[in-house]
Amino acid sequence: EIVLTQSPATLSVSPGERATLSCRASQSVSSNLAWYQQKPGQAPRLLIYGASTRATGIPARFSGSGSGTEFTLTISSLQSEDFAVYYCQQSNNWPPEWTFGQGTKVEIK
Amino acid sequence: QVQLQESGPGLVKPSETLSLTCSVSGYSISSGYYWGWIRQPPGKALEWIGYIYHSGSTYYSPSLKSRVTISIDTSKNQFSLKLSSVTAADTAVYYCARAEGEVDYWGQGMLVTVSS
Repeated sequence: EIVLTQSPATLSVSPGERATLSCRASQSVSSNLAWYQQKPGQAPRLLIYGASTRATGIPARFSGSGSGTEFTLTISSLQSEDFAVYYCQQSNNWPPEWTFGQGTKVEIK
Repeated sequence: QVQLQESGPGLVKPSETLSLTCSVSGYSISSGYYWGWIRQPPGKALEWIGYIYHSGSTYYSPSLKSRVTISIDTSKNQFSLKLSSVTAADTAVYYCARAEGEVDYWGQGMLVTVSS
């Protein structure tokens, strides 16, 4: 099973600052990596797919990068609505299993 | 607009079978995509349970494979989850989802509690 390790577990950031979240895969997933945002009591929302493509309606301050085993989600200037938990997810073709990371909580500093 | 809605019992007894159905509107599930189930125990991370392709082929998480069945009913535009021999560890919010690798549409989620 491909394990995704997200770091840090919690990130304290002031509004307007930049946030950088990491996701590391235990083996290569090529560019089959997505990022989601989840707020309390809500279903996750797709932010990024294909490692770097923003989903429909996602603001440009969200960007994704990486390939293989190392991936990054960057929020260029945090807005109040961005404080949430972020998950990465891989969908590699083989093995045909999809897994999530353990999440990074972005909290107000 | 694509919408997914979970339905089923919110309370299941230990050792019994959890059964949920996802009703899809705004898109015909026979047209494509993978249709899957994801769960989230209270305060914990998301976990993929498994998914089914519109053709009927399935994939299940190795840790749950022995207890999970996902099926599809294209005539009703629904797909279903069965999880057998449940324990308190299966208490979670269960989400149904449309995916093509990444999940682009989610159900609102349904809390299922395993308790006697």
